Amino acid sequence: DTGVSQNPRHKITKRGQNVTFRCDPISEHNRLYWYRQTLGQGPEFLTYFQNEAQLEKSRLLSDRFSAERPKGSFSTLEIQRTEQGDSAMYLCASSLGTGRGYTFGSGTRLTVV
Amino acid sequence: QQQVKQSPQSLIVQKGGISIINCAYENTAFDYFPWYQQFPGKGPALLIAIRPDVSEKKEGRFTISFNKSAKQFSLHIMDSQPGDSATYFCAASSYRGSTLGRLYFGRGTQLTVWP
Repeated sequence: DTGVSQNPRHKITKRGQNVTFRCDPISEHNRLYWYRQTLGQGPEFLTYFQNEAQLEKSRLLSDRFSAERPKGSFSTLEIQRTEQGDSAMYLCASSLGTGRGYTFGSGTRLTVV
Repeated sequence: QQQVKQSPQSLIVQKGGISIINCAYENTAFDYFPWYQQFPGKGPALLIAIRPDVSEKKEGRFTISFNKSAKQFSLHIMDSQPGDSATYFCAASSYRGSTLGRLYFGRGTQLTVWP
């Protein structure tokens, strides 16, 4: 286990469809974060988990977005009724303890057509 | 509202030169300031980080300078190499309150190092 794994790497979907992304963090990391990055911008925080508990959600995370981390292991991010504005890179990161040194995955690039 | 402001947006440097990227913040609760490097198609990778109790931190060719009173910090890349060509992001976080561990990123600087 050498890093944070995200699947799929790319997803093209039609507007209105639901999509789900998966993140497998570094195994001993208890914190897991989701960020969204659009072209030419820095990553923006969406939500984070400490073990299985979702402790904070950004206002960016509308009702169409839901994230889970069952048993404090992998996490899924689901977007329902996708819109073109959801097109972005979705990044997952994990950390141990204080959350200082994040390790990011390579992201899932979502394109909504 | 951008919590961390980064400049310049793009930077072109000759091989062997010094690359300097600047960031500023307003929230005095921030107590951790990392820099991330991102290559196309990859996630950001932690490069170097500093806490406000020191004014400078150096790791190899990378140095962070931190000015607490001015609420500014900068990344210096010495002897810049073509392999350094990437997008660099500054960030900040606070280990207090509800934003525990959450990173606020700047908008990034696209660095190009010409051989």
